[in-house]
Amino acid sequence: TQLLEQSPQFLSIQEGENLTVYCNSSSVFSSLQWYRQEPGEGPVLLVTVVTGGEVKKLKRLTFQFGDARKDSSLHITAAQTGDTGLYLCAGAMGTGKLIFGQGTTLQVKP
Amino acid sequence: GAGVSQSPSNKVTEKGKDVELRCDPISGHTALYWYRQRLGQGLEFLIYFQGNSAPDKSGLPSDRFSAERTGESVSTLTIQRTQQEDSAVYLCASSSHPEGTQYFGPGTRLLVL
Repeated sequence: TQLLEQSPQFLSIQEGENLTVYCNSSSVFSSLQWYRQEPGEGPVLLVTVVTGGEVKKLKRLTFQFGDARKDSSLHITAAQTGDTGLYLCAGAMGTGKLIFGQGTTLQVKP
Repeated sequence: GAGVSQSPSNKVTEKGKDVELRCDPISGHTALYWYRQRLGQGLEFLIYFQGNSAPDKSGLPSDRFSAERTGESVSTLTIQRTQQEDSAVYLCASSSHPEGTQYFGPGTRLLVL
């Protein structure tokens, strides 16, 4: 059973455009992590959000954790070709393991 | 300052053969995770080790899959009687504590012919 629904699953945009990726669940998470994965490599952590309503910014990337800690979003401003990759959200539920979404493949075209 | 390493990086095998995949976690990390990732997809949880506790095997897809971990070091994932649907990338990750940041290895790409 997939507890984390990530959308869209695939996104192809032009360089300079903005985009938002969503991660939704009916479950409450103690924290939520966003990872980025490039071809042939393992995922790498971008950010962890812990508090409901929290907003974190990493340069052109903005991450938000929903007030109820059931959902999160990743917004990229002025996408660049270097942003191309697979973006994964992962929620912690106090069981010791993370539940991963199915991923969003982002392609940024020059 | 080694990260998580996995071997082999690629494995091609014939249907019905057994395979063994190895993971060397970051030294001192008590938690170790195995995931399966099909092409362009998210991560499918397989098994989780935490210290000396009994492993969480809830993600193993069948009894053909098993994993062991020696103390807080090396782990081995074994797939018996491989099937073509087992073809995927198998990723290992470790973290210093449960639900902490997971540091991933590069994965083992398994192809079952």
